[in-house]
Parts: sequence; C-alpha cells; structure tokens
Amino acid sequence: DTAVSQTPKYLVTQMGNDKSIKCEQNLGHDTMYWYKQDSKKFLKIMFSYNNKELIINETVPNRFSPKSPDKAHLNLHINSLELGDSAVYFCASSQGRGAGGRVYNSPLHFGNGTRLTVT
Amino acid sequence: QKEVEQNSGPLSVPEGAIASLNCTYSDRGSQSFFWYRQYSGKSPELIMSIYSNGDKEDGRFTAQLNKASQYVSLLIRDSQPSDSATYLCVVNNPNYGNNRLAFGKGNQVVVIP
Repeated sequence: DTAVSQTPKYLVTQMGNDKSIKCEQNLGHDTMYWYKQDSKKFLKIMFSYNNKELIINETVPNRFSPKSPDKAHLNLHINSLELGDSAVYFCASSQGRGAGGRVYNSPLHFGNGTRLTVT
Repeated sequence: QKEVEQNSGPLSVPEGAIASLNCTYSDRGSQSFFWYRQYSGKSPELIMSIYSNGDKEDGRFTAQLNKASQYVSLLIRDSQPSDSATYLCVVNNPNYGNNRLAFGKGNQVVVIP
C-alpha cells in the first residue's frame, strides 16, 4: 500500500547509457514531481506535472525527459548519462489545483528515492 | 539572496533538551511553510506545515511563523536520539502560478544521549 513508489531503488550504469526511472502514486493526487538531491544533500526540483500537463520545467539538460502517461505515473528518462548525473532522484506528489485554478499549496509526499551512480 | 536560508552546521543537543531551528525566506508573497525531516539515506517526510502567523504545535514539535520578519522556526522539545536527522525548511509561493517549492539546504540535528 505504498503511497509513492519509484523503481529502481538503485541504478548503476556507465556513461553514455540511457536509463529510465519509474514513479507511481496511489494517493489520487493531481501533481507529481521529480527532484534531484546531490551529494551536498540539496534538493532541487526538475519537473512537475499536473494531471499530465507539464507545469514546471527547471533548467535541466535536454537529456532528461519526463513522461506522464496518466496522473498517477511520472517517469523520468535520461539519455547519454554523465558522471554529474550521479545523485538521488526523488519522485513526489501533492494534491492538485485549488481555488482560482492555482495549484494548491499542499505538502509533498516523497517516494523512497532512486540512487543513480554513473561510472 | 537565496530563496530559503537555514543555519549552517550541525546542531548538537543533549537528549531531553530543546532543539531550535531557524529559517528565513526572501519572497514576501510566500504563503505556505513546511518542515520536513530526512533521515540519512531516506526520503524527506513532512512533520509540520504552517500557513498563518504564530505558533503551531504538534506533539513535541512547534512551528513558529513571522511573515513580517520573513522567518519560520521549528522547536523540538524533549529531544530524543530518534530526532537525529536533517530538517528541511520548505517554502511555497503561489505567485509563481504553480506549486513550486523552494528548499533550504537543511539543518542536521544530532541528539546526544
């Protein structure tokens, strides 16, 4: 009955490879996110989707491409992996839009993270 | 100026003492404020949310918000070794037009038995 689940938990791969991380939430939330936590433990948003619509696209290399087939899933595909991509990637979800059409300021529910190591 | 700033360096507190964490934010339009706890190797988990000025208490945790001074704090009373973790201050500003959250770098708390 995991609320936000992401796979795989660990991913070790070589430079230049293409890999994907999957995320699913069963909370009924409208909004999903990908965050990157680097070695300094700083959490930085990469993407956010609200009901399959991309609403946040931070300055992230084009090698990173999110895909949301439905509002319960948000996958992250990474092309041509580089050493600097090594980090922990967290998927998260939150409740959707509130009054006035603005995305509701609701807290995040995080997945357990995917530790990506590029060698 | 960073959007969300937290005190640097780990905070060591004896078991049973009060741990006090402070956070300042730059955008006056910020509306929602959260404290997350992250154990080493784990994902962040929400421990407190606060939306209006004043204090909000939940068990041993108290969040304090002062929008005029643009700071939010977290007090942990009767600190336990299980409170040893990194605490992240997170601020949301709806003026961005989406649910964009700004994270502080975190405060590491070490509770000494």
